[in-house]
Amino acid sequence: QSALTQPASVSGSPGQSITISCTGTSSDVGSYNLVSWYQQQPGKAPKLMIYEGSKRPSGVSNRFSGSKSGNTASLTISGLQAEDEADYYCCSYAGISTLVFGGGTKLTVL
Amino acid sequence: QVQLQESGPGLVKPSETLSLICTVSGYSISSGYYWGWIRQPPGKGLEWIASIYHSGGTYYNPSLKSRVTISVDTSMNQFSLRLSSVTAADTAVYYCARDCNPYSSGGDIWGQGTMVTVSA
Repeated sequence: QSALTQPASVSGSPGQSITISCTGTSSDVGSYNLVSWYQQQPGKAPKLMIYEGSKRPSGVSNRFSGSKSGNTASLTISGLQAEDEADYYCCSYAGISTLVFGGGTKLTVL
Repeated sequence: QVQLQESGPGLVKPSETLSLICTVSGYSISSGYYWGWIRQPPGKGLEWIASIYHSGGTYYNPSLKSRVTISVDTSMNQFSLRLSSVTAADTAVYYCARDCNPYSSGGDIWGQGTMVTVSA
């Protein structure tokens, strides 16, 4: 059970769109549409932004969207805002009743 | 609204057992959901530790399974984590979460986290 692979950092300017990738294997991301995404502001607990691949919890902006292709899941943030600057983590079902997280991506809004 | 609050010692000696409690308010654990623990070493990423179903089924991270016990006390509306034989590598912020479902998600509502340091 290895951690999912995310880019260490991404950046974008206000108003732009960015995409954060989360690469796993055919045993986790590739086999199930069960990826969730979390936003973590400095010193705060993670906040659920996307679950079951593309669903948004109540209260989460529709600027956040999730998708998957093969063994890679993606989080897209459109209309980037300064408040989106945070760390983002993906999480996937990894089989045999276990979960695995990605290493995290630091989003910088330029 | 639903709130989760972690509690326990902030300092644990090497080789001893780390014990944490998560107290839930605004929702009865016995009503449903999976409940779980996730940790985050300083400056590092998240790691799922364990989950428990409201009726008692347990699920563990294979890399920690031999040292971890998760349990639930519905009368107190709490669930607990015990991690034995701790080392410095277990130093982390420990979070508890609702709907920490081992089949799908790390959780929809998280506690604020509690820092645990392993040191003599």
